Amino acid sequence: GAVVSQHPSWVICKSGTSVKIECRSLDFQATTMFWYRQFPKQSLMLMATSNEGSKATYEQGVEKDKFLINHASLTLSTLTVTSAHPEDSSFYICSARRDRADQPQHFGDGTRLSIL
Amino acid sequence: SQQGEEDPQALSIQEGENATMNCSYKTSINNLQWYRQNSGRGLVHLILIRSNEREKHSGRLRVTLDTSKKSSSLLITASRAADTASYFCATANTGNQFYFGTGTSLTVIP
Repeated sequence: GAVVSQHPSWVICKSGTSVKIECRSLDFQATTMFWYRQFPKQSLMLMATSNEGSKATYEQGVEKDKFLINHASLTLSTLTVTSAHPEDSSFYICSARRDRADQPQHFGDGTRLSIL
Repeated sequence: SQQGEEDPQALSIQEGENATMNCSYKTSINNLQWYRQNSGRGLVHLILIRSNEREKHSGRLRVTLDTSKKSSSLLITASRAADTASYFCATANTGNQFYFGTGTSLTVIP
């Protein structure tokens, strides 16, 4: 099967801190990776789509300077929440997909971010 | 918003009964996928149905797709307590964008 590892699984930090979340595809090459945000008891909201070697495409309303995405290799994408504030507290989930749009996405286990 | 909608929002059934969830979406799609999420965890891919397919089976799962109505359904037969989870549909459009539905919270009572 396709395994996606997301790290860390839980982060608690002070307001103003920048937090980096890693998403790795362990056994396949992920041309495209996706970053989602999920509030309690709600669905996943797509934040951005990243393709290896190119700039991420952000969804409307998502601040690209706030949520920095880097997809430097076919197995790693990172999301950095810069100068995090309490309103950034949420569950962040990444997914990775092989090189065709008709392939399923494989999800990491998510990162719970709590900003004090 | 391009997010799809699912109904019901919550469903509670007895073990052994069938569970049906529906998903409606707004745009033309390349494929539609169903995922399961246990509380506080990532999503597990269940089944993918392409826009030119009408029905697909996988074990106790049956998915239908009606592109004329822009809707899909997920049927779980002979439900088990372990099926308790949230279920989401997600649509992949031709522009390589992927949107999740609002989700159905399923509780299977032993």
